[in-house]
Amino acid sequence: DAKTTQPTSMDCAEGRAANLPCNHSTISGNEYVYWYRQIHSQGPQYIIHGLKNNETNEMASLIITEDRKSSTLILPHATLRDTAVYYCIVRYAGNNRKLIWGLGTSLAVNP
Amino acid sequence: GAVVSQHPSRVICKSGTSVKIECRSLDFQATTMFWYRQFPKKSLMLMATSNEGSKATYEQGVEKDKFLINHASLTLSTLTVTSAHPEDSSFYICSALSGRAWETQYFGPGTRLLVL
Repeated sequence: DAKTTQPTSMDCAEGRAANLPCNHSTISGNEYVYWYRQIHSQGPQYIIHGLKNNETNEMASLIITEDRKSSTLILPHATLRDTAVYYCIVRYAGNNRKLIWGLGTSLAVNP
Repeated sequence: GAVVSQHPSRVICKSGTSVKIECRSLDFQATTMFWYRQFPKKSLMLMATSNEGSKATYEQGVEKDKFLINHASLTLSTLTVTSAHPEDSSFYICSALSGRAWETQYFGPGTRLLVL
């Protein structure tokens, strides 16, 4: 699986958009980009995933660059409950279903 | 989204005893489940991949005789930590692979194990 690079930590004001970047410059054409988050002392929570096109669901939007070497997770209106560690993972869409976890970005949403 | 439960949520045991952790997929059938371990301020480490009806596949460095995994049904996988020692104290998390589109992993809430 391709390696991802994320900033260690970020801050965001409550009510503002949180934009979390991820670099995956070695991603191959059949690898998806997945985003999970982990609130302290809980299991990870699936947020969103994509291949080439931008995606949006009730939680967030995922913007993938045209060359697919980077992506941005957008939380449109961050709340205090969005404080968590956010993980960007690329995964081959084949039989190897492993998720290789990096250290993620620790997002602090401040009042 | 799909729901995965774990039991117990917290367990404290004496050194040398065995502890069993259950992972259940509540609203879907999971042919594949994963077991992870997470130490404080560290990322998740995959321990093993469990396929229903077959032996688990362990990651390098994970002792299969110490961490026994059973996946006897499409909704239940168990992890037994045998002869637990204080260094086994950790946060154990399972995930289940949904057979729906995109094969997204859904995670349980985790089990905090403390070995005294």
